[in-house]
Amino acid sequence: AQTVTQSQPEMSVQEAETVTLSCTYDTSESNYYLFWYKQPPSRQMILVIRQEAYKQQNATENRFSVNFQKAAKSFSLKISDSQLGDTAMYFCAFSTGTASKLTFGTGTRLQVTL
Amino acid sequence: KAGVTQTPRYLIKTRGQQVTLSCSPISGHRSVSWYQQTPGQGLQFLFEYFSETQRNKGNFPGRFSGRQFSNSRSEMNVSTLELGDSALYLCASSLVWHAKNIQYFGAGTRLSVL
Repeated sequence: AQTVTQSQPEMSVQEAETVTLSCTYDTSESNYYLFWYKQPPSRQMILVIRQEAYKQQNATENRFSVNFQKAAKSFSLKISDSQLGDTAMYFCAFSTGTASKLTFGTGTRLQVTL
Repeated sequence: KAGVTQTPRYLIKTRGQQVTLSCSPISGHRSVSWYQQTPGQGLQFLFEYFSETQRNKGNFPGRFSGRQFSNSRSEMNVSTLELGDSALYLCASSLVWHAKNIQYFGAGTRLSVL
C-alpha cells in the first residue's frame, strides 16, 4: 500500500523564525513525485513545492525548501523567515507512475504567531 | 489565465437526494481529478479523467460517479446521499495524465447532507 505519514498534527512558530514539517511515505514504485501543498482557511489548495524522486538535489522555492532523503523515504519541508500568511494546513503528497492521482498525508496545521 | 472553477461553492441536500458538482479546469488542461476531504478521513481520491475517459478510481461506492466532456469540463454525481457524504469536494486539473504534472486545485464545493 502507498501511504503518507505526517506525524505532527499541529505546530506553532513565531514570525521570522524557521520551522520544519515532517513527512514520511511508503511506496514500492521507483518513479514518483513528491509535493507539499498548503491549504489556508480560504480552503484553496496551493502547491508549495515539488520534488522529483530521481533528482538528488533538494528542491527550493524562495523561503521554502525540502530535505529529501530517498533511502529513508523522508520528505520534510523547511519554511524560513515565517510569515503570518504561512498560517495554513500543510499536506505532504505523492504521485506515481502514469497516474495524476495524489496520495495525501493527514496534514500539519501550522500557526504563525507574532 | 483563470484557475480551476468549481460550482456551486455550497450545497445543502437531504438524505436520499442526488447531487451534481461541476468543475471547469484551467484552459488547456486535459486531466481532471476529484477528491473528497473530511475531518475524519482526510483527503481521499475519488477518480480522475483524461480525454473523456476515467483513468483511475478510488475506493468509493458506486453511488459516486463522474464524467468528463470534450471541453475537459468534468462533473461528479453522488446519488442516494448519506449523512457521511458531507464533505468538501475538491477538483484539480493538470495538463495531461501523468504523475509529474502539477495539479491545480479549485476552491471546492462544500456539501452538507441533512
